Amino acid sequence: ETGVTQTPRHLVMGMTNKKSLKCEQHLGHNAMYWYKQSAKKPLELMFVYSLEERVENNSVPSRFSPECPNSSHLFLHLHTLQPEDSALYLCASSQRASGGPNEQFFGPGTRLTVL
Amino acid sequence: AQSVAQPEDQVNVAEGNPLTVKCTYSVSGNPYLFWYVQYPNRGLQFLLKYITGDNLVKGSYGFEAEFNKSQTSFHLKKPSALVSDSALYFCAVRDMEGSARQLTFGSGTQLTVLP
Repeated sequence: ETGVTQTPRHLVMGMTNKKSLKCEQHLGHNAMYWYKQSAKKPLELMFVYSLEERVENNSVPSRFSPECPNSSHLFLHLHTLQPEDSALYLCASSQRASGGPNEQFFGPGTRLTVL
Repeated sequence: AQSVAQPEDQVNVAEGNPLTVKCTYSVSGNPYLFWYVQYPNRGLQFLLKYITGDNLVKGSYGFEAEFNKSQTSFHLKKPSALVSDSALYFCAVRDMEGSARQLTFGSGTQLTVLP
């Protein structure tokens, strides 16, 4: 694995449930990301935390709520989701630098199914 | 705005033959370009990147990519494909001078190497 872990790996939830996805990076990076991956669509960036500042994709519904308590941990809180939210949710981290973007390191993802 | 296109959803190649996975991009300035690979049930793994300098970039597992500014392309290549190269490949771009601070990913190309 790449040093980025995600739990759980699989999650099935009803539309009225509340759940959280967890991501942890052991690489000493200072930026963390949530992506949504749906089949045959571009990877969709949902949220970025850089030096504990949050950057949002304005198209992400409010039923997704991120939390970044420190530079190593990232959560995605889920509530009242819709079936179309079923996807693979990927966490990534990178080291922000002034010389240009560094490569991101991805976790294995959480496969989410909303019934 | 920045964008990236992977015109082929699927590429099939025989083992031992050269492979090419295509990527074209659109930015207002100069690009940063990346290739990532995703194996089943795994997150994305970094393969290589172009920041500046030599147009031919060499990366992991024998892959390379050529930056072509006039054709706005960054095709991924390998001289001799292996069955183990079968995976989903993503191209990503970020504009050096643009306002977007994050990567934009393509929709992916499924590479199948036939034995």
